[in-house]
Amino acid sequence: KAGVTQTPRYLIKTRGQQVTLSCSPISGHRSVSWYQQTPGQGLQFLFEYFSETQRNKGNFPGRFSGRQFSNSRSEMNVSTLELGDSALYLCASSSGDGYADTQYFGPGTRLTVL
Amino acid sequence: AQSVTQLDSHVSVSEGTPVLLRCNYSSSYSPSLFWYVQHPNKGLQLLLKYTSAATLVKGINGFEAEFKKSETSFHLTKPSAHMSDAAEYFCVVMSNAGGTSYGKLTFGQGTILTVHP
Repeated sequence: KAGVTQTPRYLIKTRGQQVTLSCSPISGHRSVSWYQQTPGQGLQFLFEYFSETQRNKGNFPGRFSGRQFSNSRSEMNVSTLELGDSALYLCASSSGDGYADTQYFGPGTRLTVL
Repeated sequence: AQSVTQLDSHVSVSEGTPVLLRCNYSSSYSPSLFWYVQHPNKGLQLLLKYTSAATLVKGINGFEAEFKKSETSFHLTKPSAHMSDAAEYFCVVMSNAGGTSYGKLTFGQGTILTVHP
């Protein structure tokens, strides 16, 4: 099976702009989770989607949003970008059938905000 | 609430010597525990997973971890380090509480493993 794919792999934006990142899960997986990785804060949970519904959300401002499509592909959007949004954004997919599902990670999208 | 503490931010070993990466966790509910590895400029790869079956869990590439409930620990070990093991390792907890646990992994701060020839 193909792994989790994320596009684009690299992005450079300026403050105030908005950005959309895409994640295609492993075939058959219905859950997609998003994480932000920074040197200072480490890996932090953004949100999780299952069957097009957001089931869980981390402690991030409303500028961070996401959605999931009927084919389980997911997008996350960051509006009004700030310098502190520069990070590696990782998505992970799992079957979504149980609490202890293994999450499989994509390679990430490196976002730089200037 | 759940949290993870990785007790060492950096560990340095010589090739062929044992590896020990330490992790303590806190969880209000019965947890699932994971170790992931991240090589430079790569995504996260699962090494192993504990889900309340055997307390000694074997993973890929010769790694294993032991779940000790009394010590709330889940240390990662390998008998003999290889140069290719150099990477950053993350101890991760998921609380089996439903609701606010869905899809949420809580990561430790990571341990960078350096392997010297």
